[in-house]
Amino acid sequence: SYELTQPPSVSVSPGQTARITCSGDALPKQYAYWYQQKPGQAPILVIYRDNGRPSGIPERFSGSNSGTTVTLTISGVQAEDEADYYCQSADSSGTYQVFGGGTKLTVL
Amino acid sequence: QITLKESGPTLVKPTQTLTLTCTFSGFSLRTTGVGVGWIRQPPGKALEWLALIYWNDDKRYSPSLKSRLTITKDTSKNQVVLTMTNMDPVDTATYYCAHRPTGTTSGSFDYWGQGTLVTVSS
Repeated sequence: SYELTQPPSVSVSPGQTARITCSGDALPKQYAYWYQQKPGQAPILVIYRDNGRPSGIPERFSGSNSGTTVTLTISGVQAEDEADYYCQSADSSGTYQVFGGGTKLTVL
Repeated sequence: QITLKESGPTLVKPTQTLTLTCTFSGFSLRTTGVGVGWIRQPPGKALEWLALIYWNDDKRYSPSLKSRLTITKDTSKNQVVLTMTNMDPVDTATYYCAHRPTGTTSGSFDYWGQGTLVTVSS
């Protein structure tokens, strides 16, 4: 079955830039989406279609796609950005949805 | 304003069938392109997509769970129901339903319910 691979953890100091990657063979064909999840809360969509930012999401959140890897970039990380981040996409046919294993962002 | 809320049992026994209902407002499953999905998350683990139903009754299931899942919709009641058969302790998780939009954010799950924790134990 199709999988998306994320690093388990990323750590940055406040004000630095955090980059979280997500790799999958179908990413050149399928858009990626990113979600932020804080403890005890439902996920929130922070990036759609590789690099779109929903209304209400701070400008420091951005996304990019370079073939089989997509990247969520958080510029000027703040303490409130500490959370788990998940990528989501579809298999090459667009039939099935899949989430990555999640990345825990720690703000030092 | 789009809202979704999951309801169902908090405790089920092994081998039983789980039935969860997602009741939503702020959108219609009669709208072209719109869908509702189910996603679960075992304690301390990652999100896992389970199923998706679209306005036209097109249904998609996780390949690994397809034999155990059924998703249906009641458009008049603004509800989507997920059933999962033969429950096992490894199915213990928080179960979320989420709105699948049309338009520029299509392909995502842009609004989520609060989730409901289902424990499988005898």
